[in-house]
Formats: sequence, C-alpha cells, structure tokens
Amino acid sequence: GENVEQHPSTLSVQEGDSAVIKCTYSDSASNYFPWYKQELGKRPQLIIDIRSNVGEKKDQRIAVTLNKTAKHFSLHITETQPEDSAVYFCAASRSGTASKLTFGTGTRLQVTL
Amino acid sequence: EAQVTQNPRYLITVTGKKLTVTCSQNMNHEYMSWYRQDPGLGLRQIYYSMNVEVTDKGDVPEGYKVSRKEKRNFPLILESPSPNQTSLYFCASSLRGDGVGQPQHFGDGTRLSIL
Repeated sequence: GENVEQHPSTLSVQEGDSAVIKCTYSDSASNYFPWYKQELGKRPQLIIDIRSNVGEKKDQRIAVTLNKTAKHFSLHITETQPEDSAVYFCAASRSGTASKLTFGTGTRLQVTL
Repeated sequence: EAQVTQNPRYLITVTGKKLTVTCSQNMNHEYMSWYRQDPGLGLRQIYYSMNVEVTDKGDVPEGYKVSRKEKRNFPLILESPSPNQTSLYFCASSLRGDGVGQPQHFGDGTRLSIL
C-alpha cells in the first residue's frame, strides 16, 4: 500500500520568512495530493491540492510543487504570519481508490514574532 | 451550511461499555470515512463507505464497526472499547470516493477516553 513520509515534524520560522514542508510517497500510481491545515483543537481543513498532471499550483501565499519522477511534493508558505501556526498534513491517493487517502504524520509549524 | 456533524464531541467511558459515535453530512456526499488521530501517527483510516450499504476496512479497523444505511449517516461503533482506542476521531466526507481524488470535508472531531 501507499506510504507517505513527511518532514520536518516541527518547524519554527520568524514572521515574514518562508516555510517549506516536504513529503515523499511510495505508490507511483498516486495522482492526487492534498494538504490540510489543522489549528489547535480544530478539524483538518483543505488548503490546497494538486493532481499529477501539473507540477505546481499557487494560491496567494501558499504553493505546492510536485515531482512525479522523484515521488515527492512540497508545500511552500511565503511571508508567514502568526495565523499560519498550525499542524500541516500532506496526503496521497490514486484514481479509482480515491477513498484511500494516506496521510503523512504532520508538521507542526510555529511562526514567531 | 454545508457540514459534517459528529456527536458526541467528548466522551469518557469505561472498558467494555459499547458506544456509538454518530456522523452526519448534509452535502449529499457519496463517500464517508472515519479516521483516528494519535500523536506522531497522523490520521489513520479506520473504515470508509463508497455509498449506501457499501463499506470497507481502512488501515486500522480492528475493534470497530460501521454501517451505512442512509446516505447522510455513517456511525462508528465500538462494541467493547479498550484503552488503546483512546484517541481523537474524525469523520469525513467527499462527493465521490472513486475517480480522481477529491477534497474531504472533516467533522469537528470526537475525543474519546476509555478508562
């Protein structure tokens, strides 16, 4: 089955700096890669996703890049703000079994003033 | 408002006392799923349902049961809870479970403590 590894487990950046979280996956047939943000005590919420027919997707200060050959994808947050502090999860699934969403173990991002 | 509703939000109970966590969605989604979240392990899928009367095991199904008699409801049943099932549980739904991946909408979570 699919295995998703996520690094780092914790990340501390100063406000205004960029943050990068990386994930690798094992199933070459995976083609959907969402990122979820979970604030303390709240539900995971989708912030951005990418499908394997594109290499990069941006939405304001966040972007995701995908390298299918190397089987890794990354979340980039620019101009970080205190409200970006949360746990971020990457995930992967494949067509036909989209229900089988495999999550990474999470990255706790702390944005300091 | 489109949402996934879980109840209860918090529960403390004892080993062996059957309990049910309810999940309901109002988005007419076909696919529903249960996850448990434990520190350092991320979200792990317990069971999922592609549609009414269609359920299947996820990665950690032992000790759990589910049913999908109606499209909107997907209860999680712990017939004989044990302390290792103490965890934070999330229900999620998406429009479809097949085809290309789709965003999953999560409920607010249920924190279970089994003594």
